[in-house]
Amino acid sequence: DTAVSQTPKYLVTQMGNDKSIKCEQNLGHDTMYWYKQDSKKFLKIMFSYNNKELIINETVPNRFSPKSPDKAHLNLHINSLELGDSAVYFCASSLRVSGANVLTFGAGSRLTVL
Amino acid sequence: QKEVEQNSGPLSVPEGAIASLNCTYSDRGSQSFFWYRQYSGKSPELIMSIYSNGDKEDGRFTAQLNKASQYVSLLIRDSQPSDSATYLCAVFIGSNYKLTFGKGTLLTVNP
Repeated sequence: DTAVSQTPKYLVTQMGNDKSIKCEQNLGHDTMYWYKQDSKKFLKIMFSYNNKELIINETVPNRFSPKSPDKAHLNLHINSLELGDSAVYFCASSLRVSGANVLTFGAGSRLTVL
Repeated sequence: QKEVEQNSGPLSVPEGAIASLNCTYSDRGSQSFFWYRQYSGKSPELIMSIYSNGDKEDGRFTAQLNKASQYVSLLIRDSQPSDSATYLCAVFIGSNYKLTFGKGTLLTVNP
């Protein structure tokens, strides 16, 4: 199936731990994103990579570190997890060169920090 | 001013009625506008995109764009209970193609 896939779907961990979320797309897109959706359902962009180059880096604590090994993969590593990091993290991808640049989202990774 | 603003609702309409969802945006240079639908516990899915002033129709959905007023809307005709979801307005802000979302409007269609 062509899609944006994220792992894990659910993640429960203790404060202070380090965790990673992985994302892969097989749509042939050139741009990938991480969005955070908090408990109030507000969807906020965190990072974007175009052809492995970081092009958007919003005001996010430096405990969050994205990494794009190639155009099809974008990972998110979070150090020293805090309670406020609990949210759903969505990966998305798009074909920026198309002009329309429509985003396709993954199913989300629900992170709960205890 | 927030970059993309929507009435948070909730908006409740009876089955068969027209649901009207509104959105304003701050960046006059924005050229691309989108409506996403998000069911509870699911990811956002694109339902409409619009790039030019005027109306764009797709089935029961009509998107309307007025760049002079910095206003975009979504009309859902013959609303069905399956349309009950949060509708997210999204606009590309700035030159780096940052897709910025409004806070969403929760729509409930009552049978």
